[in-house]
Amino acid sequence: NAGVTQTPKFQVLKTGQSMTLQCAQDMNHEYMSWYRQDPGMGLRLIHYSVGAGITDQGEVPNGYNVSRSTTEDFPLRLLSAAPSQTSVYFCASSSRQREAFFGQGTRLTVV
Amino acid sequence: GDSVTQMEGPVTLSEEAFLTINCTYTATGYPSLFWYVQYPGEGLQLLLKATKADDKGSNKGFEATYRKETTSFHLEKGSVQVSDSAVYFCALSDQVLGNNRKLIWGLGTSLAVNP
Repeated sequence: NAGVTQTPKFQVLKTGQSMTLQCAQDMNHEYMSWYRQDPGMGLRLIHYSVGAGITDQGEVPNGYNVSRSTTEDFPLRLLSAAPSQTSVYFCASSSRQREAFFGQGTRLTVV
Repeated sequence: GDSVTQMEGPVTLSEEAFLTINCTYTATGYPSLFWYVQYPGEGLQLLLKATKADDKGSNKGFEATYRKETTSFHLEKGSVQVSDSAVYFCALSDQVLGNNRKLIWGLGTSLAVNP
């Protein structure tokens, strides 16, 4: 009964480094998304996908890339980390007409 | 575009007090409405939902009624517990590419319940 699994839970990066946040779901959901959560800003959508091979930008896509080669996986790539990307990142998945299921989050600090 | 506005926190209550967290929305269509809860250090989880006007969602003693005439979906609980301390998010669904759902979020309201 895994649901949505995110790794890692914590990460510290130096400015300019790149990394990939992993997200996997085992519920066969078509829709997956990445959010960042910052104090006073709520949840902001970074990228989303409505199925394998289909991705699109959300509100704050700059500095991030995604791909969806399988239904299960939706990794988020930081190309060149900046201190402004210090945040908590959440992956979510949902199926048609159903609620979103969230991962436990990744707390990222860029120094 | 669609939007959600919820009352600012933090909200601090004593145990057994009555809770109301206001949420209003703007939407061009007929969205579904949700309340999510985030406990400290965890991801968000669905608390309750309503899919059409006048529907009442309920769970764990919390209730919210979908009011189309006032475009509201206020969260209420008659007697809060310390374990209800969390951040509460109001959200509405937005339809993109057919039936797939994109969620529009409020900023969240932090609730602290003191014993």
